[in-house]
Amino acid sequence: DAGITQSPRYKITETGRQVTLMCHQTWSHSYMFWYRQDLGHGLRLIYYSAAADITDKGEVPDGYVVSRSKTENFPLTLESATRSQTSVYFCASSESSGIRYEQYFGPGTRLTVT
Amino acid sequence: AQKITQTQPGMFVQEKEAVTLDCTYDTSDQSYGLFWYKQPSSGEMIFLIYQGSYDEQNATEGRYSLNFQKARKSANLVISASQLGDSAMYFCAMREGWGTNAGKSTFGDGTTLTVKP
Repeated sequence: DAGITQSPRYKITETGRQVTLMCHQTWSHSYMFWYRQDLGHGLRLIYYSAAADITDKGEVPDGYVVSRSKTENFPLTLESATRSQTSVYFCASSESSGIRYEQYFGPGTRLTVT
Repeated sequence: AQKITQTQPGMFVQEKEAVTLDCTYDTSDQSYGLFWYKQPSSGEMIFLIYQGSYDEQNATEGRYSLNFQKARKSANLVISASQLGDSAMYFCAMREGWGTNAGKSTFGDGTTLTVKP
């Protein structure tokens, strides 16, 4: 499928478990992002990546790990899930770092930590 | 640090009327981009409109226009002739242009718009 996809779309996990959220884009965009959106709020940046093997922290990186070995994939791992990480997670990509380039968002993953 | 402020948690507008959604921003960068995104109840994020910090004219995209006042650091979204399908959450966002944070984006908390028939 063309575009940006996320899997799984829904996930329920228990406190303390490791969980990985996948993100795949077909455009070969250099920039990729992970956001979380808590109920009724805006998006907060977790991590972003300028290219393969280049990642940087966003506003709320604690408890999360990312990697980017290939341009098209940007997985997000919660090392030991906590209830406070219950949220909707959005992956996004952008063609470039240029200020005029909008982000294209995936459909989101709704994660519940029990 | 960059900050986006959307002071209207919720707004109502009558169908076919115009509505303005407020956005103020704070940055020390000279080069930045301002964006508006729409999030319907289905959850996807849809790009609406972009304004660059060096653009002298306000951006327009169909029924959407961006009222950019650089000195006041505001980037309000104007939706003309509102339609029922415009009911959604709207986010203002800013993207940094230079330095170590180039490409990084900051979002506001959003405004929920409800269009009344």
